[in-house]
Amino acid sequence: GDSVTQMEGPVTLSEEAFLTINCTYTATGYPSLFWYVQYPGEGLQLLLKATKADDKGSNKGFEATYRKETTSFHLEKGSVQVSDSAVYFCALNAGGTSYGKLTFGQGTILTVHP
Amino acid sequence: GAGVSQTPSNKVTEKGKYVELRCDPISGHTALYWYRQSLGQGPEFLIYFQGTGAADDSGLPNDRFFAVRPEGSVSTLKIQRTERGDSAVYLCASSPQGAGRTEAFFGQGTRLTVV
Repeated sequence: GDSVTQMEGPVTLSEEAFLTINCTYTATGYPSLFWYVQYPGEGLQLLLKATKADDKGSNKGFEATYRKETTSFHLEKGSVQVSDSAVYFCALNAGGTSYGKLTFGQGTILTVHP
Repeated sequence: GAGVSQTPSNKVTEKGKYVELRCDPISGHTALYWYRQSLGQGPEFLIYFQGTGAADDSGLPNDRFFAVRPEGSVSTLKIQRTERGDSAVYLCASSPQGAGRTEAFFGQGTRLTVV
């Protein structure tokens, strides 16, 4: 079945450091890929998405590129801020009969220190 | 309200009891989803409604779990004969269309503890 694997966490960085959170997936067909973020005390919210191979999603300085050849969707940010501290979830939607369903990875806790 | 609202925010119940969890989606959103999130894990899909009907209930773990959305708006997740393993945060989300096409907006969840 469909699955998403994220890098083991937690991740701790200093402000202005470079961030990479790895995400790989297994799915039949051509899934859409997402990064969701959960800030402390808030609900999950969409950070960015990509719907086909080689698409790049971007938002708030974060980027991720849909790599079909490596089945990956790694999240990157060039310079993190304390306000980026949150839990990040990679997810996919396989489409077809799974049209309404998101499959999530286990989440990566990011802590950014001043 | 402006977002997805879930009530109660916390629920403690005894093993074997029946519980109902409520979700008020964003007005006008036809798609509604329930997920379950255990500690340290990502959300796990339970069921997806399109309007009043369950379009995909493949994630419901067993027949103790049931969800309804009778008027195509508010939804209730019902759990019978609760077990300690049912303890988790139950998340509701809604979107204008299916989650593959449009952003799903999540509520803050109901934390269920079965003692």
